[in-house]
Amino acid sequence: ELKVEQNPLFLSMQEGKNYTIYCNYSTTSDRLYWYRQDPGKSLESLFVLLSNGAVKQEGRLMASLDTKARLSTLHITAAVHDLSATYFCAVSHTKVGRADKLIFGTGTRLQVFP
Amino acid sequence: EPEVTQTPSHQVTQMGQEVILRCVPISNHLYFYWYRQILGQKVEFLVSFYNNEISEKSEIFDDQFSVERPDGSNFTLKIRSTKLEDSAMYFCASRAYSGRGRVPYNSPLHFGNGTRLTVT
Repeated sequence: ELKVEQNPLFLSMQEGKNYTIYCNYSTTSDRLYWYRQDPGKSLESLFVLLSNGAVKQEGRLMASLDTKARLSTLHITAAVHDLSATYFCAVSHTKVGRADKLIFGTGTRLQVFP
Repeated sequence: EPEVTQTPSHQVTQMGQEVILRCVPISNHLYFYWYRQILGQKVEFLVSFYNNEISEKSEIFDDQFSVERPDGSNFTLKIRSTKLEDSAMYFCASRAYSGRGRVPYNSPLHFGNGTRLTVT
């Protein structure tokens, strides 16, 4: 059974600092997604990572994928308050000819303070 | 930008009652999903749906749950006899079709705003 774990579960960081969120998954997959969720809101897609070594950047967020280590990272550069949210990674698991399913990680709740 | 629409935004029901949660996926999408999130916890997969049939379902999706795409635009989740532990936020999601008979993995799942179900 595919398991996806994130750490840390909770992250409180000061504005301007850098930090990395880690996402580990248990079985082979070469498709990984990062989502953001604000309190009481829906899930917003941030990144889709499709291959080993993939790196994508959007503003202060950068995501990478190492399929051999079954590890993805979400790096935050010079955090600002607007980045406060819960971040989920999700790994795709599929069978031929069927719709896939995304298995979500435990989530990392990020709080950025002045 | 097209979006996934869910109604109602909040549903309160008594234990043992039937509820139907409604979703209108993005119009050219052909893969559909239901997820749920118990308050403060992780997002759990319930069911995926393609080509008018269930592709995969989780252990949570037992005989009390069913999905339908009755009219080519709506996608519904029915819970036949609700339990207290069914209280959660239910998210519908859809994904674009690549046109090649394969899931377009470079396209993310697009989620609706959710229906908060409260079972009393």
